Amino acid sequence: GESVGLHLPTLSVQEGDNSIINCAYSNSASDYFIWYKQESGKGPQFIIDIRSNMDKRQGQRVTVLLNKTVKHLSLQIAATQPGDSAVYFCAENMGWGSARQLTFGSGTQLTVLP
Amino acid sequence: GAVVSQHPSRVICKSGTSVKIECRSLDFQATTMFWYRQFPKKSLMLMATSNEGSKATYEQGVEKDKFLINHASLTLSTLTVTSAHPEDSSFYICSAPGPHGYTFGSGTRLTVV
Repeated sequence: GESVGLHLPTLSVQEGDNSIINCAYSNSASDYFIWYKQESGKGPQFIIDIRSNMDKRQGQRVTVLLNKTVKHLSLQIAATQPGDSAVYFCAENMGWGSARQLTFGSGTQLTVLP
Repeated sequence: GAVVSQHPSRVICKSGTSVKIECRSLDFQATTMFWYRQFPKKSLMLMATSNEGSKATYEQGVEKDKFLINHASLTLSTLTVTSAHPEDSSFYICSAPGPHGYTFGSGTRLTVV
């Protein structure tokens, strides 16, 4: 079956720098993508989402970019802070109306260095 | 915002016993609840989808008799790990589609000794 995967399992950045976390997906029919942050021992926390009719969406300190041509998704975190240290997952979904389950990528561990 | 309350957050049980995990949607109706399992440093793997008033749908390889799912009301779904063994030790997470997207519970750390 098709799946979502991440390029890098770990990422270390200096506090204050920008972070970029990448994700590749293979299901061309996916039309909704979400980034989640998961801290140790906790459930995933919604960060930002994007629908396939968009190529960029911005939130507070975060930006998601979607490149449907190469099936690539990225999460950019500006001015990374120690509290951003966590595992980040991308997830894809084939449509909200069907309440279809999310398919998660393998995750990237982000470590913010002081 | 929409909240899914998951309990217990941690549980230790003896081999052979059963453990029930509850997920409640606090301020919205969850006709569907997704149950995930997560191993250390791994991603979330969907185990099953519960639907209020009907049988749960299990993913391939997930034992229905081992992981009993009940969705008795529009606000409550439960996962019971029956005759637990050490290999069932894991982090279990529920999620429901809510008014603002998918809402996740805080997870349950199950340790079987």
